[in-house]
Amino acid sequence: SQELEQSPQSLIVQEGKNLTINCTSSKTLYGLYWYKQKYGEGLIFLMMLQKGGEEKSHEKITAKLDEKKQQSSLHITASQPSHAGIYLCGADAYNQGGKLIFGQGTELSVKP
Amino acid sequence: DAGVIQSPRHEVTEMGQEVTLRCKLISGHNSLFWYRQTMMRGLELLIYFNNNVPIDDSGMPEDRFSAKMPNASFSTLKIQPSEPRDSAVYFCASRQGQGDNEQFFGPGTRLTVL
Repeated sequence: SQELEQSPQSLIVQEGKNLTINCTSSKTLYGLYWYKQKYGEGLIFLMMLQKGGEEKSHEKITAKLDEKKQQSSLHITASQPSHAGIYLCGADAYNQGGKLIFGQGTELSVKP
Repeated sequence: DAGVIQSPRHEVTEMGQEVTLRCKLISGHNSLFWYRQTMMRGLELLIYFNNNVPIDDSGMPEDRFSAKMPNASFSTLKIQPSEPRDSAVYFCASRQGQGDNEQFFGPGTRLTVL
């Protein structure tokens, strides 16, 4: 079965610093989703990547999918306290937009 | 649109009691997913429906768990009897279509079984 591994598990950065979170799949990714979760709340959709080499940005967050479609990265530029939370990557278990398998999450803290 | 609605937001019950969690989908969405999140196991899919039909229930832990969609906009997840190891946050999510659209998550129900 497909598994997703995220690294690091947790991250503490100073406000204004850049950071990168990685998501590695044991199988080829057909769809890779990035979500953010604040403590006690549901998941908020950030971005979805499908094509090898694809890159998407929203405000200061950029997500990339490698050419082999087995690894994705989420990069935050000039981090702010509002970026704090848990970031989860999720992958399509099937090539039909079916159920999602999630990584364990990366907990990000941003120190003012 | 109010988004995915879950109730209750918090539930504390005693071992052996029946627990029912409820979820209202976003209008127009036709896929419904139930997840469980714990520190040890992360976010796990329990079951998902498409057009009211259960497609994959392989994540349902055991027979004590059951899920239904009595209509296109509402779902329940029932645990009977509940056990302390069922304590977790339960999320439902809905999605439009079967393609590449994102899943929209509800705020979750935090269940504590004493």
